Amino acid sequence: QSALTQPRSVSGSPGQSVTISCTGTNSDVGAYNYVSWYQQHPGKAPKLMISDVSKRPSGVPDRFSGSKSGNTASLTISGLQAEDEAEYHCFSYAGRYTHWVFGGGTKLTVL
Amino acid sequence: EIQLVESGGGLVQPGGSLRLSCAASGFTFSDYWMYWVRQAPGKGLEWVASIKTDGSEKYYVGSLKGRFTISRDNAENSLHLQMNSLRAEDSAVYYCARDTTGGWSLAYWGQGTLVTVSS
Repeated sequence: QSALTQPRSVSGSPGQSVTISCTGTNSDVGAYNYVSWYQQHPGKAPKLMISDVSKRPSGVPDRFSGSKSGNTASLTISGLQAEDEAEYHCFSYAGRYTHWVFGGGTKLTVL
Repeated sequence: EIQLVESGGGLVQPGGSLRLSCAASGFTFSDYWMYWVRQAPGKGLEWVASIKTDGSEKYYVGSLKGRFTISRDNAENSLHLQMNSLRAEDSAVYYCARDTTGGWSLAYWGQGTLVTVSS
């Protein structure tokens, strides 16, 4: 069982918005602003989409945004496009004992 | 161009050992924390180990129970993962990844190397 909880799947139609949640505890997501999100297409390496809860690396479309409230972080993708269909993983720093943890991943389907 | 290229994966019997390597280029290797992350077939990502810029701090996921060792050679721009007492559940694609600047995110990833533990 993954340390961070993500929905197994979400879906949306082109042009719509979807939000993927990542729920942890007050020892990881709730304690640090070090949540990041990764997009992974089948057979490919993950790609950083959001760092430090809400920072978007250069080259990532501004359709991708991140936020956090309490122990839950969220990735929102607006204006869905076919190429957004992928697996999305959250990742958080978790302090001096657990160190780092991933979520279980969420499969995004663009209908 | 930043590149991370893993090597050393393959088929190994239970109880055996493997040493993975990651060749880094396109950035000042000694300036960044480095990570190993694995992904079992059809499963999510799992953080395995991390190492500080100068190798003075190393951290591991608790389930490894001392079987793996992360190391780095800043002179050779290389990252390594020594894996001992391998089990079937260690079968996965192993990725090396580089930290972001000043944060705990994984900015760059290699293409991964497949480790299969089976008799």
